[in-house]
Parts: sequence; structure tokens; C-alpha cells
Amino acid sequence: QKEVEQNSGPLSVPEGAIASLNCTYSDRGSQSFFWYRQYSGKSPELIMSIYSNGDKEDGRFTAQLNKASQYVSLLIRDSQPSDSATYLCAVPNSGGSNYKLTFGKGTLLTVNP
Amino acid sequence: DADVTQTPRNRITKTGKRIMLECSQTKGHDRMYWYRQDPGLGLRLIYYSFDVKDINKGEISDGYSVSRQAQAKFSLSLESAIPNQTALYFCATSVGQGHGYTFGSGTRLTVV
Repeated sequence: QKEVEQNSGPLSVPEGAIASLNCTYSDRGSQSFFWYRQYSGKSPELIMSIYSNGDKEDGRFTAQLNKASQYVSLLIRDSQPSDSATYLCAVPNSGGSNYKLTFGKGTLLTVNP
Repeated sequence: DADVTQTPRNRITKTGKRIMLECSQTKGHDRMYWYRQDPGLGLRLIYYSFDVKDINKGEISDGYSVSRQAQAKFSLSLESAIPNQTALYFCATSVGQGHGYTFGSGTRLTVV
């Protein structure tokens, strides 16, 4: 069973700070990585994808990937109260056409005004 | 209209009843998935389908069955509902390798 691990939180940061969310995965062959945001009672929404080692920036969000360490992170700069949500890391199984994502249990982020 | 539509949005049913959750999509994706989400357990895969004739069990398929009626429609059935099937159920679609999912709005199911 492929595993995706996240700190459950809650992670609490003040408005304007940087929030750092972390994820480790067990499948060394995984090639793509995804971050989803889920508001309470709502469906997950894809906010970032990353495929290569290094950083990928999109607005206030930066995804960081280190395949050697099997580690992917999400940084949220200038955090806003509207960023308060659960963030899910998702990693696909490697190899073949049997494509499906395994999700971490999520990290609950609270941004305090 | 939403790209991935789930019905019903909320349902309360009694133990032992058969219930069907429906999912339809307008994204044209071949791959469709059913997950359930429980507090503390995250999203767990129930069934997935890569086309109308290709249906596969996920990690927690016991007590569930599915039907892929068309490329755009994928239904999940609980043959005889039990209280520990109370959860939030999500349908998702994907274009395939290297791509994320698009989720439906979810069905909140309560079995009493």
C-alpha cells in the first residue's frame, strides 16, 4: 500500500505570515504531485501540481519537490483568512496505466486575522 | 452547470436499504473514481473505471458496487446500507496519467 503522510495539524498562522505544509510519500517511482484545498463540507479543489525537482510558483503559492527525499511541500505567502482550509497532498501510483491518486489525510490550516 | 455532478447532495437512509449515488460529467474524461471521506481517515478509493468495460476495485470496495452506464456516468450502490457507511462520498474524473482529478460536489450519506 502506497503511503502519503501529512501532519494533521492544526497549523495556525497569523494573517500575512507564510504557511508551510509538508508531505512525504513512499512510492519512489511517482512522477507527479498535487496539492488540493478543501473547505469544510466542500469538495477538494486542485491548486497546484508539480512534476520536477525544485520550486514551482503560482501567485501566493509555491510547491517544492525533492524526489530524492520523497518530500513535497506547499508554501502560502501572505496568508489570508480565506486560506483557512484543509490541504491535501496527492500522489499517483507509479508505472503502468493503472492511474489513481493516493491522498494524505490532510493538514488543517487556520489563518488568524 | 458543474463539470462533475453528483446526486443526491444529501441522503439519510435506514440500515438495510439499497441506495444509489449517481455521478455524471461533462468533461469528456474516460477515467472516473469513487472515494469516501471520513474524519481522521482521509479520502479512500472505493472503485474506479477507465472506460465503460473497465471497472476496478479500490482499497475499500466491500459492501459497494458500481455501474458505468456510459462514458459520462458512473454510479455507486450500497446494496444493504450499514451505519459505518455514513460518510461524505466524492466522485472524481481524470484525463489520465500525470493529471489531477476534478471532483464533484459530494454526497453526504447518513445511514441510521
